[in-house]
Amino acid sequence: KAGVTQTPRYLIKTRGQQVTLSCSPISGHRSVSWYQQTPGQGLQFLFEYFSETQRNKGNFPGRFSGRQFSNSRSEMNVSTLELGDSALYLCASSIGTGSREQYFGPGTRLTVT
Amino acid sequence: EDQVTQSPEALRLQEGESSSLNCSYTVSGLRGLFWYRQDPGKGPEFLFTLYSAGEEKEKERLKATLTKKESFLHITAPKPEDSATYLCAVPTHGQNFVFGPGTRLSVLP
Repeated sequence: KAGVTQTPRYLIKTRGQQVTLSCSPISGHRSVSWYQQTPGQGLQFLFEYFSETQRNKGNFPGRFSGRQFSNSRSEMNVSTLELGDSALYLCASSIGTGSREQYFGPGTRLTVT
Repeated sequence: EDQVTQSPEALRLQEGESSSLNCSYTVSGLRGLFWYRQDPGKGPEFLFTLYSAGEEKEKERLKATLTKKESFLHITAPKPEDSATYLCAVPTHGQNFVFGPGTRLSVLP
C-alpha cells in the first residue's frame, strides 16, 4: 500500500507571496492533518480535515488555510508569507478521527526569503 | 493546559548500552499516548499506541510502557540504526495531537 505523499518536497518563496502544498493520504484513509515543524517549536498542529470538513484547528493565524477534496486529498495554503513560516510542513493521514495512529508523509520543506 | 514534555533532550549511547526515554504529560482524560520515530529529513514513523496505565508494547529492541502520568520508551541493546529522534504525542480535545519536543538518540558503534 502506498504511503502518504506530499508535493512539492522543497519550495523557496519570497516574503509576501503565497504557497499551496498538496497531500495525498493512504488509500482508504479519510482524515488528513497538517503540522508545522520547526527547530524551536517542534511539531505543531495546524488543522485536520475529515470527509471534506475541517474538524479541528490549531493556534495559527488565518493566513494558514486548507481544504480537502472528495477523494481525501488535501491542500494547505499560506498567504502573505513571512520569514517565520519557514518550516517543514507535514501531512498525516489516518483512517478516522479521534484517538488513532497517524501516518506521516515526508514533508514539504518551505524556505521563505 | 495540555502539555507533553520529554527527557532527556539528547542521549548518546554506545551500541549495546540499554537506556530509557521519558515522556510526561498533563492532559485531562487521556485517550492514548503515541510514540513516533523521526529520522532526519523524514516524517515521523508510528511506533506504538498505549491506552491505559500498566499497558506495555514491544517492537524489536523497543518497549513502551505507560503509567498515569508518564510513559517510558525502553531501548534494549541498541544498534546504530536506532539513532533517531523519538517523539511522543497525546490527543486532546480541540487541538488534535500535542507532541513533545522529542529525544534525540545517538547510538555509537
